[in-house]
Amino acid sequence: GDSVTQMEGPVTLSEEAFLTINCTYTATGYPSLFWYVQYPGEGLQLLLKATKADDKGSNKGFEATYRKETTSFHLEKGSVQVSDSAVYFCALRVDTGFQKLVFGTGTRLLVSP
Amino acid sequence: DVKVTQSSRYLVKRTGEKVFLECVQDMDHENMFWYRQDPGLGLRLIYFSYDVKMKEKGDIPEGYSVSREKKERFSLILESASTNQTSMYLCASTTAGTSGANVLTFGAGSRLTVL
Repeated sequence: GDSVTQMEGPVTLSEEAFLTINCTYTATGYPSLFWYVQYPGEGLQLLLKATKADDKGSNKGFEATYRKETTSFHLEKGSVQVSDSAVYFCALRVDTGFQKLVFGTGTRLLVSP
Repeated sequence: DVKVTQSSRYLVKRTGEKVFLECVQDMDHENMFWYRQDPGLGLRLIYFSYDVKMKEKGDIPEGYSVSREKKERFSLILESASTNQTSMYLCASTTAGTSGANVLTFGAGSRLTVL
C-alpha cells in the first residue's frame, strides 16, 4: 500500500545551520506530496506542497522538490531559526476522490540559539 | 479566517466511559476526517466522511464510531473508552474533488487521557 518514510528525530541544530529532513514514499499512481508542520500545542498546518514530478514547493524559506526517479521529497532550509522548532510531517495523497492523506511518522526539529 | 474547531482541547475520562469529540468547520467543506496522533506512529486515519450522513472507515476504525448529521460538524465517538485510546485526536476538512491543490485544514487537536 501507499506509505511514507521519514528520518527519525530529533534533529538538533544550531541557529543558522542548514536543514535537511529526508522523506521517501511508496505509492501507486501519481501522488501529490506535502510537508505539514506542527508547532508546540497546535494542530498541523500546511508548509508546502508539490503535485507532479519535478515541481518544487516552497514557503517560509523551506523547499522540497518532487523527485519521481528517487521517490523522494526531502525538506530543506538554508538557515534555520529557533522559531522553526516543530514537528515536520511528510505526507502523500493519491487522488482517489476522497482526499485521504498518508502521513510519515514525523520528525522533531530542535533549533538552539 | 477559516477554521476547524475542536471543542475540547483536553479531556480526562475513565475506562468504560462514552466519549464524544466534536469538530466544527466553517469553510463549507464536503470532506471531514478524524486522525489520531501517537509518538513514533505519526497520524493514522480513523474515519472520514465525504457528505452528510456518509462515513467511511479509515485504517484504524476499531473502537470508534462517527456521526455527521450536519455538513459542518463531524463527531468522533468512543463507545467504551479504553486506556489504549489515550492519544491526540486531530480533525481535518477539505473541499471535494480530485484537484491536487486541495489541502487539509486541521483543528488544534483534542488530547484524550483514559484512566
